[in-house]
Amino acid sequence: SQQGEEDPQALSIQEGENATMNCSYKTSINNLQWYRQNSGRGLVHLILIRSNEREKHSGRLRVTLDTSKKSSSLLITASRAADTASYFCATDAGTYKYIFGTGTRLKVLA
Amino acid sequence: GAVVSQHPSRVICKSGTSVKIECRSLDFQATTMFWYRQFPKQSLMLMATSNEGSKATYEQGVEKDKFLINHASLTLSTLTVTSAHPEDSSFYICSARPPRTGGPAFFGQGTRLTVV
Repeated sequence: SQQGEEDPQALSIQEGENATMNCSYKTSINNLQWYRQNSGRGLVHLILIRSNEREKHSGRLRVTLDTSKKSSSLLITASRAADTASYFCATDAGTYKYIFGTGTRLKVLA
Repeated sequence: GAVVSQHPSRVICKSGTSVKIECRSLDFQATTMFWYRQFPKQSLMLMATSNEGSKATYEQGVEKDKFLINHASLTLSTLTVTSAHPEDSSFYICSARPPRTGGPAFFGQGTRLTVV
């Protein structure tokens, strides 16, 4: 399977804490993206990082990319209860066919 | 931003019937759209690539006669689950990418299919 893997599979933290999720993938990529999915809903795009970038920020989100290790991490700082959702990484090898990771279910406790 | 609309959001059908799901790009033309399937608490698996004006490309293991894809216009792709069975119950999501932007794809809201 080409599917990427994410860890942890599930993460439970207190409001205000930081949450870190990791993604590993198998093939060379053009870009990697992180998506959020609330239970039973569609996907919301969070951030895109290209293969020649190492780090990107967007609000409380920080994404890193290490192409030599074929891995990426998503950091959510100062988490809120509203951040509770599943988070997926998705890689694009340049064909626009996204390969999704297994996902991390984040629960932020108020 | 670009919007992809999917309809219906939820459908319940009887075993043996067919169900059509629509995916529309509302403010851009998409020559290519993608269909994904998601089982409960699992990730998204790419089913097929929908190509405007030509046949869809299916991923390995996906039955093309079971999941009929039509991309008759630059803003609409449809997925028809034929002769649905309970094991076809799943969450189906489409995506489309605005051309020439170098940016991400946009996803529809998803369709929850329940076959009873």
